Amino acid sequence: GENVEQHPSTLSVQEGDSAVIKCTYSDSASNYFPWYKQELGKGPQLIIDIRSNVGEKKDQRIAVTLNKTAKHFSLHITETQPEDSAVYFCAAMSWGAAGNKLTFGGGTRVLVKP
Amino acid sequence: KAGVTQTPRYLIKTRGQQVTLSCSPISGHRSVSWYQQTPGQGLQFLFEYFSETQRNKGNFPGRFSGRQFSNSRSEMNVSTLELGDSALYLCASSLEELYNEQFFGPGTRLTVL
Repeated sequence: GENVEQHPSTLSVQEGDSAVIKCTYSDSASNYFPWYKQELGKGPQLIIDIRSNVGEKKDQRIAVTLNKTAKHFSLHITETQPEDSAVYFCAAMSWGAAGNKLTFGGGTRVLVKP
Repeated sequence: KAGVTQTPRYLIKTRGQQVTLSCSPISGHRSVSWYQQTPGQGLQFLFEYFSETQRNKGNFPGRFSGRQFSNSRSEMNVSTLELGDSALYLCASSLEELYNEQFFGPGTRLTVL
């Protein structure tokens, strides 16, 4: 089955700096890669996603890149703000007749220091 | 449009009991997936339902089961609870079988004593 590795497990940045989280996956059949932000006491919230036919996607301060050959994808947050502090999860999904299954990375706890 | 709702939000049970958790997906969403979240194991996939049929199942024992109703609402049941079942149980819904975006509910925090 799919295995997703996420690094680093914790990340502390100064407000205004950039944050980068990296993930690798094992199953070449995976074709959808979402990123979730989870705040304390809440469920994961989808913040950005990328499909396997795209190499990069950007939404305001957040960008995701995908390297299918190397089987890794990354989340980039620029101009970090205190409200970006949360746990971030990457995930990989393969879908088809057998259904959809998301495999998550272990999470990265991001702390943005004012 | 209302988001995914889960009930109850918090639950305390004792070992050996059984529990049923409920999930109402976003209106119009037909796929419902369940996940278990623990500090040690992270987020793990339990199962996915689409049109009242289980399409996919994770690596959990048979004590974990679920079902989906014709209105897409879903329930999951855990029988003979163990201490290790203490976790946040998350439900996620998506629009159609080929639609990837999954939207999560707030979860049910289950504590087994």
